[in-house]
Amino acid sequence: AQSVTQLDSQVPVFEEAPVELRCNYSSSVSVYLFWYVQYPNQGLQLLLKYLSGSTLVESINGFEAEFNKSQTSFHLRKPSVHISDTAEYFCAVSSLYNTDKLIFGTGTRLQVFP
Amino acid sequence: DTAVSQTPKYLVTQMGNDKSIKCEQNLGHDTMYWYKQDSKKFLKIMFSYNNKELIINETVPNRFSPKSPDKAHLNLHINSLELGDSAVYFCASSQDGTGSPYNEQFFGPGTRLTVL
Repeated sequence: AQSVTQLDSQVPVFEEAPVELRCNYSSSVSVYLFWYVQYPNQGLQLLLKYLSGSTLVESINGFEAEFNKSQTSFHLRKPSVHISDTAEYFCAVSSLYNTDKLIFGTGTRLQVFP
Repeated sequence: DTAVSQTPKYLVTQMGNDKSIKCEQNLGHDTMYWYKQDSKKFLKIMFSYNNKELIINETVPNRFSPKSPDKAHLNLHINSLELGDSAVYFCASSQDGTGSPYNEQFFGPGTRLTVL
């Protein structure tokens, strides 16, 4: 079975500052990793994912995440945040053998202040 | 041209009632899902259907019954509602049921169910 831990329930940050949202997972088998974003009153949207290959993956809006197998982590980073990045961010994992079943963390609320 | 839509957006009802939440996707996807997000924002899969066939059925009370009249629709029926059923329910869909991780799951906006 897999599990995901997002240690920070809330991360307040000022605009243009860097941010890191932490995600650790546990699994006895190889996994795929995902970050989803949920803007207020909307459904979840896929932000980026790690499937294989380069351990550093990027999104189109400047976020990146690095898969670290030894530390079982998949932290999300952005060098300079905008007000519009304010949202809930969910880390998720699926096993290679049951890829339809996403296991989510409890989410991190990113609040960007002007 | 909403990709995955759910109705209603809000649902307030009394304990013991029976209610339904509807989900429709216009993406031509073969696989649809129901997730439950509780008050602590913990999001957990409940069911998945591929081409009207039940694929994933997590341990949920049998008061919850998904129904898929066609592959574009996956409705969730809940009988004898209880206080603990209060949550946000999300519908999602993905392209096919091959289990490929390249098939992104697209989520609906959610239905907030409140049981009084």
